[in-house]
Amino acid sequence: QKEVEQNSGPLSVPEGAIASLNCTYSDRGSQSFFWYRQYSGKSPELIMFIYSNGDKEDGRFTAQLNKASQYVSLLIRDSQPSDSATYLCAVTPPSGYALNFGKGTSLLVTP
Amino acid sequence: DGGITQSPKYLFRKEGQNVTLSCEQNLNHDAMYWYRQDPGQGLRLIYYSQIVNDFQKGDIAEGYSVSREKKESFPLTVTSAQKNPTAFYLCAAGGQGSQPQHFGDGTRLSIL
Repeated sequence: QKEVEQNSGPLSVPEGAIASLNCTYSDRGSQSFFWYRQYSGKSPELIMFIYSNGDKEDGRFTAQLNKASQYVSLLIRDSQPSDSATYLCAVTPPSGYALNFGKGTSLLVTP
Repeated sequence: DGGITQSPKYLFRKEGQNVTLSCEQNLNHDAMYWYRQDPGQGLRLIYYSQIVNDFQKGDIAEGYSVSREKKESFPLTVTSAQKNPTAFYLCAAGGQGSQPQHFGDGTRLSIL
């Protein structure tokens, strides 16, 4: 059973705070992990990807991966109202094709 | 412009009608995908193609058909057998190995 679980939210954080988004996956052989941002009515946009255990930073975004715990997270520092969107976690299965997506976490950054 | 182009942006289907959604890419990716997204839901895989003239069913292929005659094009037909076609349809390309997929802007399909 291939499952990717996310808390649906909404997660509400004040402007300037750190937003922490979490994702767990069931397939221990999963290879690659992606975070997509989706604004209402728009298509998903890739913002981060991570392949190895540990942290990966890109600007205000940090992706964290723990394969032993089957857990991946996204931290957004200095959150801005423009970060308000749904964040989708996606995982590549062992076959290496077609991503498995979580249902997404809605983030609201309040001014 | 490089990227993935989906058309039309909005589409309306009459009862008993087949409709075709277009997806074209100029990124030279071998793999292409079709997903369906319902309100408040994640993306569900309809079909994917790893190479020209080959494609595989995803999790919700019933009522849909595809073709892959050219590397650049992967059209999706929503047939009359799909009784609940109202959704946001997303085409993606890439994703082979550990590479990410990238999405087109989507087509929103509704029933008249």
